[in-house]
Amino acid sequence: GQQVMQIPQYQHVQEGEDFTTYCNSSTTLSNIQWYKQRPGGHPVFLIQLVKSGEVKKQKRLTFQFGEAKKNSSLHITATQTTDVGTYFCAGGGTASKLTFGTGTRLQVTL
Amino acid sequence: ETGVTQTPRHLVMGMTNKKSLKCEQHLGHNAMYWYKQSAKKPLELMFVYSLEERVENNSVPSRFSPECPNSSHLFLHLHTLQPEDSALYLCASSQGLAGVYEQYFGPGTRLTVT
Repeated sequence: GQQVMQIPQYQHVQEGEDFTTYCNSSTTLSNIQWYKQRPGGHPVFLIQLVKSGEVKKQKRLTFQFGEAKKNSSLHITATQTTDVGTYFCAGGGTASKLTFGTGTRLQVTL
Repeated sequence: ETGVTQTPRHLVMGMTNKKSLKCEQHLGHNAMYWYKQSAKKPLELMFVYSLEERVENNSVPSRFSPECPNSSHLFLHLHTLQPEDSALYLCASSQGLAGVYEQYFGPGTRLTVT
């Protein structure tokens, strides 16, 4: 079945440093979604990418969908302590199924 | 965020108990989902309902039994669980099926099986 892997599993950065998480699918995706889960919280939708090579920005966050629609990345510029949490990508394949990635846990310290 | 609510928030049950988890969405969505989130594992999709019909069952053991009486409510009935079933159970909803639409998650039920 479809598998979606993320690297790294965990990253610890100093506030102000940049952060990137990478998402790789074993199959071609129809779309990719990104979610953030704060510690003790639940996943919250951030964004969806649909087109090959698409790039979207949300303030300090930049999301990219690969040309082959099998990989994606999330880059955070100048991290802040409010960025702490686990970031999940989720790949859309068949109509009813969204396969979540393994997640990258981000820790930010002052 | 109160779009998707779940009760109870915490549940401790013995292996011989029967309990139910409840999820309610106030967003007018047509699809609802149950996920299991265990430590060090990705979110595992358990069940998908679209317009009250089950469209996906991801090889979930029969000790988990879903019920969707209408498009706003989703239940997960639990019986004779195992300790390895201890996890955070998340309910989610979406406007349509998740391959296209974003999902809105509830706060989850933290389940401990003793």
